[in-house]
Amino acid sequence: DIQMTQSPSSLSASVGDRVTITCRASQSISSYLNWYQQKPGKAPKLLIYAASSLQSGVPSRFSGSGSGTDFTLTISSLQPEDFATYYCQQSYTMYTFGQGTKLEIK
Amino acid sequence: QVQLVQSGAEVKKPGASVKVSCKASGYTFTSYGISWVRQAPGQGLEWMGWISAYNGNTNYAQKLQGRVTMTTDTSTSTAYMELRSLRSDDTAVYYCARDERYCSGGSCQNWFDPWGQGTLVTVSS
Repeated sequence: DIQMTQSPSSLSASVGDRVTITCRASQSISSYLNWYQQKPGKAPKLLIYAASSLQSGVPSRFSGSGSGTDFTLTISSLQPEDFATYYCQQSYTMYTFGQGTKLEIK
Repeated sequence: QVQLVQSGAEVKKPGASVKVSCKASGYTFTSYGISWVRQAPGQGLEWMGWISAYNGNTNYAQKLQGRVTMTTDTSTSTAYMELRSLRSDDTAVYYCARDERYCSGGSCQNWFDPWGQGTLVTVSS
C-alpha cells in the first residue's frame, strides 16, 4: 500500500501569511495527487487535483505543485476562512489519504 | 447543481449491520463512480471502497473485505454502503463522494467531488 505523510501535522499562522503544507508518498505516484480542505463538522472540499490543477471556484491563492514523491500545497495569503484541516490524497493505486494538517489561527 | 444527499444518523449495537444511502442529483449517475470514505471521531479520512455506477464493479479496501458491500440503484440514482458485524471502532461519519475520472494522453486521473454531507454511525451497546 502507498503511504502518504503530511507535514506539519499542525500549523499556526496569521491572516496574510504565506503557508506551505507538504505531502510525501512512500513511492512515486507521478502527479496522481489531490488536496482537500475540511472545516469542522463539514464534508471535505476538493481544492487541487492532479497535483497542480485548481478546482473551479477555488480561490487562486491556493496552488499545488510537485511530482513523483514530494508535493506541496501553498496558500499565498491566508484569509480567515482558510483555517481548516487539509488532506492530501493519492489516486495512483486506489486511494490513500495523508493524516491531515490542521491550520490554526496564531 | 451536482449534489449527493445521504441518509440520517444511525445507532447500532455491536454485531449489527448498517446500510447508508447516497442519492445523487444534477448529473448522469451512470457516468461516474461513487467512493465511500469514513472518518472516526477526531481522526483522518479512510477510503473504504469504490463502485462503478455504470456496471456495478467494486473495489474494496483490504481492511474491510468481507464486511462491506457497495451497491447502486440506477433507477433512483442512489448508492448504498452496507457494513456488517459492526464494532465500536466502526463509529464514524461515513461520506459518499462522486469519483470523477479524467483521461488524457493515455493516463487517467481520479478525484472526489462533490461529497455527501456525511452520516454519523454510532456503534454502542
